[in-house]
Amino acid sequence: GAVVSQHPSWVICKSGTSVKIECRSLDFQATTMFWYRQFPKQSLMLMATSNEGSKATYEQGVEKDKFLINHASLTLSTLTVTSAHPEDSSFYICSARVPGLAGGFRSYEQYFGPGTRLTVT
Amino acid sequence: QKEVEQNSGPLSVPEGAIASLNCTYSDRGSQSFFWYRQYSGKSPELIMFIYSNGDKEDGRFTAQLNKASQYVSLLIRDSQPSDSATYLCAVLYNQGGKLIFGQGTELSVKP
Repeated sequence: GAVVSQHPSWVICKSGTSVKIECRSLDFQATTMFWYRQFPKQSLMLMATSNEGSKATYEQGVEKDKFLINHASLTLSTLTVTSAHPEDSSFYICSARVPGLAGGFRSYEQYFGPGTRLTVT
Repeated sequence: QKEVEQNSGPLSVPEGAIASLNCTYSDRGSQSFFWYRQYSGKSPELIMFIYSNGDKEDGRFTAQLNKASQYVSLLIRDSQPSDSATYLCAVLYNQGGKLIFGQGTELSVKP
């Protein structure tokens, strides 16, 4: 199956610093990756869509200058949380889209990385 | 606004029973539907996807889709304590291939 990795798995940083999270597709090329945030007992909230070689598309309400996304290769996307604050503490999860082998648009599956737990003190 | 609705639960079933998880969606044009399982503190893992009306079976799991009613469900037969998790329904939003997630249903299988 498609494997997506994330690094680091957890990070603690001080308020005001920046943190970079890496998302890699290990056994396939991902032209599109997605970044989600999940607060405790809540569902996944899509933050942005990351497309290789182009600017990310951010969801409404997500600050693009605070959450910098770079998708420089077909296997790597990074999310940098700049000037982190305690309210940014969350579980950040990336996913990569795999065009379905059945063919066509309808079966685009997304596989998730293991997530990064960020704590800002 | 595209919406996906699930009962948050918790849904409690005894071991060996059938667990039934339901999901409704608002976008009539949606084509693909996914069920993910998420254990506490972990990221979601794909269980199965469905895009044709009717049933799709994979082991103990059966996904059911009714596009006319905008309803998708997941049945888990012979439920095991290890099935205890939150189950997320997701609908493919055609613009950009985004998934819209429901809030998840927490399932508890009691031994």
